[in-house]
Amino acid sequence: DQQVKQNSPSLSVQEGRISILNCDYTNSMFDYFLWYKKYPAEGPTFLISISSIKDKNEDGRFTVFLNKSAKHLSLHIVPSQPGDSAVYFCAASPGDNRLAFGKGNQVVVIP
Amino acid sequence: NAGVMQNPRHLVRRRGQEARLRCSPMKGHSHVYWYRQLPEEGLKFMVYLQKENIIDESGMPKERFSAEFPKEGPSILRIQQVVRGDSAAYFCASSLTTEANYGYTFGSGTRLTVV
Repeated sequence: DQQVKQNSPSLSVQEGRISILNCDYTNSMFDYFLWYKKYPAEGPTFLISISSIKDKNEDGRFTVFLNKSAKHLSLHIVPSQPGDSAVYFCAASPGDNRLAFGKGNQVVVIP
Repeated sequence: NAGVMQNPRHLVRRRGQEARLRCSPMKGHSHVYWYRQLPEEGLKFMVYLQKENIIDESGMPKERFSAEFPKEGPSILRIQQVVRGDSAAYFCASSLTTEANYGYTFGSGTRLTVV
């Protein structure tokens, strides 16, 4: 069963505009959420995370929003840059050693 | 700091052969995790190990798969009698802490192809 869902598998955005990636989860035990970025032939790289006690976390151009009642989170990238072109994975943890990943969103930033 | 090192990067095995995937964690990291990514899927947790101990193997298939993290040397994920469905990218990650909250450091993966 897919506990972390990422719809809209691909997204194209103009350089300088905002990229918004969405993620839904089903397990109410998740209390920590992370976004990873992955380039082809490389491993995922940790990007940003948020605890369930917060509804927003910002780090430079990246902001993650959490709506716990809707079991929904999103990643905003602004402004988008060509180097942001990658696959983005949403992941969630119930506070132990395991992460549940979504299937990923391909982002293409057009110069 | 070389990061998490996985080898080989690519591995081709015939059906029925054994596959051995190696992972050296980041310096100072004693927690190792293995994940598998099937085509068009997200990463799926397989096993969590500390030195000489398997802590959580709830994601490991019950047969043919085993993992170890010896006192000396890299962690090994071993797949016996491989089948076509084992073709996937296998990622290893390591961390300082026991919680995933802080984000693991992943290696570049081993892409296993079973022919």
